[in-house]
Order: sequence, then C-alpha cells, then structure tokens
Amino acid sequence: AQSVTQPDIHITVSEGASLELRCNYSYGATPYLFWYVQSPGQGLQLLLKYFSGDTLVQGIKGFEAEFKRSQSSFNLRKPSVHWSDAAEYFCAVATGTASKLTFGTGTRLQVTL
Amino acid sequence: GAVVSQHPSWVICKSGTSVKIECRSLDFQATTMFWYRQFPKQSLMLMATSNEGSKATYEQGVEKDKFLINHASLTLSTLTVTSAHPEDSSFYICSARDLQQETQYFGPGTRLLVL
Repeated sequence: AQSVTQPDIHITVSEGASLELRCNYSYGATPYLFWYVQSPGQGLQLLLKYFSGDTLVQGIKGFEAEFKRSQSSFNLRKPSVHWSDAAEYFCAVATGTASKLTFGTGTRLQVTL
Repeated sequence: GAVVSQHPSWVICKSGTSVKIECRSLDFQATTMFWYRQFPKQSLMLMATSNEGSKATYEQGVEKDKFLINHASLTLSTLTVTSAHPEDSSFYICSARDLQQETQYFGPGTRLLVL
C-alpha cells in the first residue's frame, strides 16, 4: 500500500524568505502526487499536482514542486513567502487518477513578519 | 475552478440524534465522492467512497450502519451520522472527483459537535 511522509510537523519562516516543505512517498509504480493547503477551519485547496511529464510543476499562489523519482520525493517550494501563506499543507499520493488519496500528516507553516 | 459545497458548515446536536451533511459539486458532475474525517491538528482520514447509484465502500474500522452514505445524483452525496455521540464530534470533509481534471476537489468542511 502507498504511504506519504511529511517529516516536518511545524515550520516557521520569515515573510519574504524561501520555503521548502518536504514530502516522501512510498509506492512501487509511478505515483500521482498532490499538494493541498488548508486554512484553519476550512476545506482543502489544490495547489498543484503531478501525473507525468515535466518533473517540475507549477501551481497556484506561486508554489512549485519537483518530483524526484530517485529520492521518492515531491517537495513543495516557494521563493518568497507571504504572511497569507500561513496554513496547513498536505501532500497526498494516489495510485491512479481515479484512485483514493492517501494523505501525509501535514506540515503547519507559520510566517513571522 | 471546480467548486464543492457542504451544508451545513457547522452543527450542534444532542446525543442520540441523527445529523445529515450534504456535499454538492456545483459546476461538474461527480460519479465518485469521498468522505473524510479530521481530528484537531491531524490529517484527513478517509471514511468511505461514495459512488453514484451504488453502495458506498467503507474503509476498515468505519461503521457503515452509523455513517450512512447516499449518492443519489451526480452532484449530491449525503452523510448521515446516526445516533450521534460526543465521540462523533469532528470535522467532516467531502471531496468530489472531477473526471475531466482527474482531481479531487474538496468542500469547506462541516464541524459537528455532539453534546
């Protein structure tokens, strides 16, 4: 069965600093990978997804993620963080486009001014 | 983008009563919807997969008689928490799969408090 690990429970960055959130997955074949963001008391918003092709994917709000098969990773990055980016970020994997998602435990991002 | 709504956004009920939560895909048809439960500061736990016109598929450990799921149309799935108890208090989130986008879109969630 597939699994997702987000090693960092909580990260604090200064506004304007760069950000990288780590995500490692476990799955024998090519995974379908997603990053979602959740603001307090809200549902999840899709930031970006990777199915195939270019391993560097661009998402909304200036986020990008890179799929590295050799490292089984799909890390999320943003060059300059804004205070409004403070939220919970979830990495998820699916075995196919029609398959259920398996979520990581999430990383809470705090942004200091 | 694809929009999924949930109603109600929050509900308080007495122990022993039943509560129905609706999940609607507003601008696309969803043959499959998913129901998740999220405890404070934790990840989402998949409860069941709801398929239009057929019985839901429940994850291991989820009581199907307690959490009734109905997916009567391509845009609506409902979750009914029967005989609710305080331990059922949680944040319930649904998602709907857009086949064209090959992506799940999530509703805003429903916070349930059972007294």
